[in-house]
Amino acid sequence: AQSVTQLGSHVSVSEGALVLLRCNYSSSVPPYLFWYVQYPNQGLQLLLKYTTGATLVKGINGFEAEFKKSETSFHLTKPSAHMSDAAEYFCAVSRSGSARQLTFGSGTQLTVLP
Amino acid sequence: DAMVIQNPRYQVTQFGKPVTLSCSQTLNHNVMYWYQQKSSQAPKLLFHYYDKDFNNEADTPDNFQSRRPNTSFCFLDIRSPGLGDAAMYLCATSTAGTIYEQYFGPGTRLTVT
Repeated sequence: AQSVTQLGSHVSVSEGALVLLRCNYSSSVPPYLFWYVQYPNQGLQLLLKYTTGATLVKGINGFEAEFKKSETSFHLTKPSAHMSDAAEYFCAVSRSGSARQLTFGSGTQLTVLP
Repeated sequence: DAMVIQNPRYQVTQFGKPVTLSCSQTLNHNVMYWYQQKSSQAPKLLFHYYDKDFNNEADTPDNFQSRRPNTSFCFLDIRSPGLGDAAMYLCATSTAGTIYEQYFGPGTRLTVT
C-alpha cells in the first residue's frame, strides 16, 4: 500500500528565505507523486508532479521538487519565500488502482513572516 | 475556462436532515472523485466514479451516497447528517490514462446544526 509522511505540520520562514517542505513516501510500485497547495476555504491546486523521467520537477509559482528514490523522498523547495506562499501544502502519492486514487499526507501549514 | 464547479460553496443543514452537494465539470473527464476534509486534516477519499462505475472506499460510511447521472454532474448525498459530518467536501476529476492528474473544485463547506 502507498503512504505519505510529511514531516512538520507547521513551518515558518521569513520572507525571502528558502522554503523546504518534507515528504517521504512508501510505495511498492514506482510512484506518481504530487504536491498540492490549498488556500483557506479553497480547493486544492496542483503545484507539480513526478511521474517518470527527470527527477527534478519544476512547478508553478517558483516551486520545485526532487524525486530521490534512494531516500524515498519528494521534498518541495522554493528559493525565496513570498508572503503569498502562506498556505497548506499536501504531498500525495497515487495508488495503482484503476483510477490511481490519491493518498495524501497530513499537510504542512506554511507561514511566511515579514 | 474548463473547470470543476461545486454548489453551493457553503451549506448549512440540520442534524438528521438529508442534504445533497453538487459537482459539475466542463473538462469532459471520465473520472470523478468525492473527498471529505475535516478541519486541519488531509482530504480523505469517499468514493469515485470511473465513467458510470461506482467505486466505494472500504471505510466510507453507508450514510454517504453518490449519483452520477451523466459525464458532467456528480452528486454527494448525505442521508442523515451527524455533527461529525461537518467538513469541507471536495470534488475532483481526472481523465483516464497513465497519470490521472486530478483537478479539484473549490469545495463545499458543510455545517451541521
